[in-house]
Amino acid sequence: DIQMTQSPSSLSASVGDRVTITCRASQSIHSYLNWYQQKPGKAPKLLIYAASSLQSGVPSRFSGSGSGTDFTLTISSLQPEDFATYYCQQSYSALFTFGPGTKVDIK
Amino acid sequence: QITLKESGPTLVKPTQTLTLTCTVSGFSLMISGAGVGWIRQPPGKALEWLALIYWDDDKRYSPSLKSRLTISKDTSKNQVVLTMTNMDPVDTATYYCAHRTSYYGSATYFDYWGQGTLVTVSS
Repeated sequence: DIQMTQSPSSLSASVGDRVTITCRASQSIHSYLNWYQQKPGKAPKLLIYAASSLQSGVPSRFSGSGSGTDFTLTISSLQPEDFATYYCQQSYSALFTFGPGTKVDIK
Repeated sequence: QITLKESGPTLVKPTQTLTLTCTVSGFSLMISGAGVGWIRQPPGKALEWLALIYWDDDKRYSPSLKSRLTISKDTSKNQVVLTMTNMDPVDTATYYCAHRTSYYGSATYFDYWGQGTLVTVSS
């Protein structure tokens, strides 16, 4: 089974900050990596698919990069509505593992 | 407009079987490439993928829960059903169903989600 890890598990940041979240797979998943944002009490929202493709309607301050085992989600300028938990998810194997999440809160 | 809505019991007793229904609209479960997955989230914890069913009735299960899960679909009712046997308090979670979209042929992302339903396992 492919295992996913994320770092950090949480971070504190200010509005306007550049934020980077890392996701690592236990084996190569090529570019089969998706990112989701989840706010308290809400369903997850797809942000990025195929490692770097921005989902329709998602602000361009979100970007993704990486391939193989190491991936990054970057928020170029953190906005108040971006305080949430972020999850990566692999779809290389037909078993769709999520990472443990990274909580982004207000500094 | 694609929508999904979960329904089922909010409380089940330990050892009972949970049956959840996902009613979908805005897409057909028969269209090539279509799929619906189930994902759960215990309170304060991470997302956990459980199962996925494809348009052609192919099914995938989380290895750790495979022996307890069954996913099926009723295309006439636009519904996907998940059953989980031998429920335990650790299975207390919000259960989501989600629409699957494919890319690179076989890869999957979940682009539309239901609102989720909280299931509590307690005697």
